[in-house]
Amino acid sequence: GEDVEQSLFLSVREGDSSVINCTYTDSSSTYLYWYKQEPGAGLQLLTYIFSNMDMKQDQRLTVLLNKKDKHLSLRIADTQTGDSAIYFCAASTGTASKLTFGTGTRLQVTL
Amino acid sequence: DVKVTQSSRYLVKRTGEKVFLECVQDMDHENMFWYRQDPGLGLRLIYFSYDVKMKEKGDIPEGYSVSREKKERFSLILESASTNQTSMYLCASSPSGLTGAGGYTFGSGTRLTVV
Repeated sequence: GEDVEQSLFLSVREGDSSVINCTYTDSSSTYLYWYKQEPGAGLQLLTYIFSNMDMKQDQRLTVLLNKKDKHLSLRIADTQTGDSAIYFCAASTGTASKLTFGTGTRLQVTL
Repeated sequence: DVKVTQSSRYLVKRTGEKVFLECVQDMDHENMFWYRQDPGLGLRLIYFSYDVKMKEKGDIPEGYSVSREKKERFSLILESASTNQTSMYLCASSPSGLTGAGGYTFGSGTRLTVV
């Protein structure tokens, strides 16, 4: 089955850019997602990218997809303290409605 | 505003108790899911359902069961709670078919402590 991996922790200074990376194994994944989880809350969909795209930009967020390497990244420009959260990468399986989630990357923003 | 509602934010139960976690969605979604979230392990799928009265095991179904008598409601049942089931439980829903641009909609989670 699909396996999705992320590093567990990232620390950046306020105002810098953050880059959170993710790798997945199923080349037939059609959609790839980034979710954000603030403390004590559920997951909130941040953005997604369709598998035939290389890049998607949405305000401060840029998603890059390298299908050959099965690598997905989320760049947050001008990172703010309100961006401190856990970020989950998720991939849709080829023919099912299930998503496989990574372990989550905790982003810490320091002053 | 569409949403997924989990009945309790925090629960404390005793070992051996039967525990019910309730989830209701108002989006007329066919698919519903139960995950547990533990530090360093991410989200692990317990059970999911593609339709009323239909259920399928996820990756870690042992010690759990589910019920889906109505489309909008998906219940997770811990038959005999144990301390290793202390966790954050997340419910999610999605429309039928391939997961598309909308992804899943999640509830706020239930933090269950078994003592």
